[in-house]
Amino acid sequence: AQTVTQSQPEMSVQEAETVTLSCTYDTSENNYYLFWYKQPPSRQMILVIRQEAYKQQNATENRFSVNFQKAAKSFSLKISDSQLGDTAMYFCAFYGGSQGNLIFGKGTKLSVKP
Amino acid sequence: KAGVTQTPRYLIKTRGQQVTLSCSPISGHRSVSWYQQTPGQGLQFLFEYFSETQRNKGNFPGRFSGRQFSNSRSEMNVSTLELGDSALYLCASSLWTGHYNEQFFGPGTRLTVL
Repeated sequence: AQTVTQSQPEMSVQEAETVTLSCTYDTSENNYYLFWYKQPPSRQMILVIRQEAYKQQNATENRFSVNFQKAAKSFSLKISDSQLGDTAMYFCAFYGGSQGNLIFGKGTKLSVKP
Repeated sequence: KAGVTQTPRYLIKTRGQQVTLSCSPISGHRSVSWYQQTPGQGLQFLFEYFSETQRNKGNFPGRFSGRQFSNSRSEMNVSTLELGDSALYLCASSLWTGHYNEQFFGPGTRLTVL
């Protein structure tokens, strides 16, 4: 069975600085997708970034980028130039194998301080 | 295009009662998945419906059930409510099933069981 682990329950960062959120996963699948979702206090889950496992190039979306290490089964999220609106819960998620659902980590609560 | 809508947004029930939650997917989306979010267990997959058929089911007791209508709207039902059923219930819609395609989440229904 696939598992997703986020080892940082809470993190904080100063506005305009850079922060990295960690995620590791376990799977025997070769083809899969990894995601970072953001859940602000409004509770709406928003897709931040997606990485296909067969792509070696790390995904980037504006200020958000990932460091995907397939052999190490590691998938970290880097947020550059942090903004107050980045304050939220961040969930790492896995999709792959025979199940057609997302498997989530427990989340990291990120606070951006002015 | 309207997003995923969930009704009601908040619900308070007492132990032993039953509850029905509703999810309307994005127009054209035929797959609806349900997730339970609690502080202790995080986000857990409940089930997925596609074309009125349950495609996939998580590890939840039979008190949790769902259905999907011909217009792709979905309902989930929880019978004989327990205190531990207090959670945020999220639904997500996507175009199809069987292969990854982006899931769009609704704002959730906050269920409190007293």
